[in-house]
Amino acid sequence: DGGITQSPKYLFRKEGQNVTLSCEQNLNHDAMYWYRQDPGQGLRLIYYSQIVNDFQKGDIAEGYSVSREKKESFPLTVTSAQKNPTAFYLCASSDWEGDYNEQFFGPGTRLTVL
Amino acid sequence: SQQGEEDPQALSIQEGENATMNCSYKTSINNLQWYRQNSGRGLVHLILIRSNEREKHSGRLRVTLDTSKKSSSLLITASRAADTASYFCATDAYPTSGTYKYIFGTGTRLKVLA
Repeated sequence: DGGITQSPKYLFRKEGQNVTLSCEQNLNHDAMYWYRQDPGQGLRLIYYSQIVNDFQKGDIAEGYSVSREKKESFPLTVTSAQKNPTAFYLCASSDWEGDYNEQFFGPGTRLTVL
Repeated sequence: SQQGEEDPQALSIQEGENATMNCSYKTSINNLQWYRQNSGRGLVHLILIRSNEREKHSGRLRVTLDTSKKSSSLLITASRAADTASYFCATDAYPTSGTYKYIFGTGTRLKVLA
């Protein structure tokens, strides 16, 4: 079964703690992305990576960090510097199809800060 | 951020009616995609339209693109209760396309009443 998985589905964090969200894909895609979605809102890009060992900041990277040591994995760490981390986090992957890329999304992780 | 905007923000219709939602964007594009998101889930790709295309069909979906107005519309014909979801447009970040980066709109929440 090819796809993209995220874990955990729900995550609770105390203020001041760092937490890492997992994202794995077995689609052999080069590119991976992290988005944040707030209630009733669209997706905002946090970080993206086009190849292994390389990643770029998106529109709202402050308070987040990522790594891309393996092609299939792109974990996101939400640090204590992120002031309002409660949100729905979506990971996606894609491959370049010539002039576009179709993004495949994971099921998401809902993070709640207590 | 050069986020697109969908209009209307929310739409409620009866089963069997057609649903039309619009997307406006700010920069020139190579292509535009529409995605669907069921509540609390990841996004699923529906259809892509390239900048040199004006209309495209896929099953009950019809997408139009007007690059002079920087807008697109998604029409769902003969809607069903199962079409209830949020719909997002996504545009490639031209002229920096080739970076795998897409910008998502704010979404239209569609509710189809049985």
